[in-house]
Amino acid sequence: QKEVEQNSGPLSVPEGAIASLNCTYSDRGSQSFFWYRQYSGKSPELIMSIYSNGDKEDGRFTAQLNKASQYVSLLIRDSQPSDSATYLCAVGGNQGGKLIFGQGTELSVKP
Amino acid sequence: GAVVSQHPSWVICKSGTSVKIECRSLDFQATTMFWYRQFPKQSLMLMATSNEGSKATYEQGVEKDKFLINHASLTLSTLTVTSAHPEDSSFYICSAQVPGYSYNEQFFGPGTRLTVL
Repeated sequence: QKEVEQNSGPLSVPEGAIASLNCTYSDRGSQSFFWYRQYSGKSPELIMSIYSNGDKEDGRFTAQLNKASQYVSLLIRDSQPSDSATYLCAVGGNQGGKLIFGQGTELSVKP
Repeated sequence: GAVVSQHPSWVICKSGTSVKIECRSLDFQATTMFWYRQFPKQSLMLMATSNEGSKATYEQGVEKDKFLINHASLTLSTLTVTSAHPEDSSFYICSAQVPGYSYNEQFFGPGTRLTVL
């Protein structure tokens, strides 16, 4: 079992719709959770971090964490073509600051 | 704030030569930096954790004699790919953590694309 799992996609949504990205992790001791966006040929950029159970909203983005279910998700409201990218879920614990990345979900927002 | 730079952004070299990639934290001091490698259509693979003033910690399966990491100052870490071969062609990305900032958050450099002919 992979430590951090994501659906590879591609996930295709129409412009203006809600995109829902999911991630599960295996280490119950994980304490920090991140969503990074990566455009083709570029390095990842952080879009959301979440540390406690519940929802965290930042503009069009909402991260949801459920530690009991070992599940973290990212919702993107009013999706735009510029949101088309690969979204990486990353999980950190007590391993000297290391992050474990999922394989990424490719999102395509169609105009 | 929390800007990380890398140099060069891309490099082409002949098989058997060595290539050095620099990773700098521009507006903060980074005691810990990380080096990743990413092949096309794959996720980031952590190669090593670089700590200022001490030896790097390599992930299982990463050849420490081939990928030399030096973190001589609080703002600079270098990755040297020794005797590079075509299979080493990849996108190399460094990241850094800001001491005392959000727990485990990493800021990424723009990456270096290495092509070995």
